[in-house]
Amino acid sequence: DQQVKQNSPSLSVQEGRISILNCDYTNSMFDYFLWYKKYPAEGPTFLISISSIKDKNEDGRFTVFLNKSAKHLSLHIVPSQPGDSAVYFCAARYEGGSEKLVFGKGTKLTVNP
Amino acid sequence: IAGITQAPTSQILAAGRRMTLRCTQDMRHNAMYWYRQDLGLGLRLIHYSNTAGTTGKGEVPDGYSVSRANTDDFPLTLASAVPSQTSVYFCASTRTSGGALFFGPGTRLTVL
Repeated sequence: DQQVKQNSPSLSVQEGRISILNCDYTNSMFDYFLWYKKYPAEGPTFLISISSIKDKNEDGRFTVFLNKSAKHLSLHIVPSQPGDSAVYFCAARYEGGSEKLVFGKGTKLTVNP
Repeated sequence: IAGITQAPTSQILAAGRRMTLRCTQDMRHNAMYWYRQDLGLGLRLIHYSNTAGTTGKGEVPDGYSVSRANTDDFPLTLASAVPSQTSVYFCASTRTSGGALFFGPGTRLTVL
């Protein structure tokens, strides 16, 4: 059973608008969440993370929100730029710093000029 | 240039053949990982190593083996390749176990 779910395989937005990518998780033992961005033919790159003790973390145009009670997190990109077009993976880590991250299936974001 | 290198970039392999994917990092990271990426399935952990000399199984370890003789290298071996192992393989590393991962550029493997 998938523990980290990204239910939208794709998302298309206009340049300058907000992009919202969603992620749900089922395991309450996750205590740290990360977003990765992946361009074609490249490895994923770390984008932003959030600890379970926080509900928001911001880094420039990127903000991650965490709702622990709903087991839901989202990545907001404002304003969206064509260079943001990529596949975005949500990932979660087990409490206590486990040896692995559990990834979602990814959401392909397309930002149209 | 600091980072992770993987070799080969891509490979076509006949079923039943043995293949080793190479991964080297020069960041002196303790923990290293192998993931595979398949369309519609995201990234799945194959094997990992928290430190040189130790390894562990991930989510999909069957058909794969790893070794960690030193800090820098973490090769992944397919003893007898099968078509279901056709995938893109990513090596990753992190300074501490459970931290944000740095990924290599990937190896695209096709098993016929």
